[in-house]
Amino acid sequence: GEDVEQSLFLSVREGDSSVINCTYTDSSSTYLYWYKQEPGAGLQLLTYIFSNMDMKQDQRLTVLLNKKDKHLSLRIADTQTGDSAIYFCAESMGSNDYKLSFGAGTTVTVRA
Amino acid sequence: DTGVSQDPRHKITKRGQNVTFRCDPISEHNRLYWYRQTLGQGPEFLTYFQNEAQLEKSRLLSDRFSAERPKGSFSTLEIQRTEQGDSAMYLCASTTTDNQPQHFGDGTRLSIL
Repeated sequence: GEDVEQSLFLSVREGDSSVINCTYTDSSSTYLYWYKQEPGAGLQLLTYIFSNMDMKQDQRLTVLLNKKDKHLSLRIADTQTGDSAIYFCAESMGSNDYKLSFGAGTTVTVRA
Repeated sequence: DTGVSQDPRHKITKRGQNVTFRCDPISEHNRLYWYRQTLGQGPEFLTYFQNEAQLEKSRLLSDRFSAERPKGSFSTLEIQRTEQGDSAMYLCASTTTDNQPQHFGDGTRLSIL
């Protein structure tokens, strides 16, 4: 995860928007992903974006990609208590193996 | 779609014992990946298979670790002579060969006493 960096914590009020930021270093990354992890569970794929796109929207989720700055963000609209979890940014490394390199995760806490 | 299945969910063992974990990928997925996640960190790549061939191993995978996927379906990860530092969540993921997103199982949490 040393090539992918995320802020560690985010606290947000229920109903507000959450924005989680991520920077990566590998300019050859083909796909960038957001995964969600709840306590004791595995990783749930939330959304992903191809490196030649700059935005993708999927219901309450909006992904923005700034390839020049190697910056990725995830916006969650109308944040709910069920959105409390750890969110991981990941990049797909390599030209053929597609193994993932993860950040350390951002813990999102939704307060009433 | 039954998803990626891992067994056991939790394993507690004494230092020095051998342990084996199993992963059953999504049935049509021919790529299978193993990752390790320690507390407070993101998952780190260990190894991956395409069908039954193990194509890459991370330097994290010491000689005490071995992984197999004998028939190109389920995979096992064995750790011999476990050490305290092996305590972690071991995650399995699967996908197809055309760079589709990886789907993860719920992991096996290993605790070394």
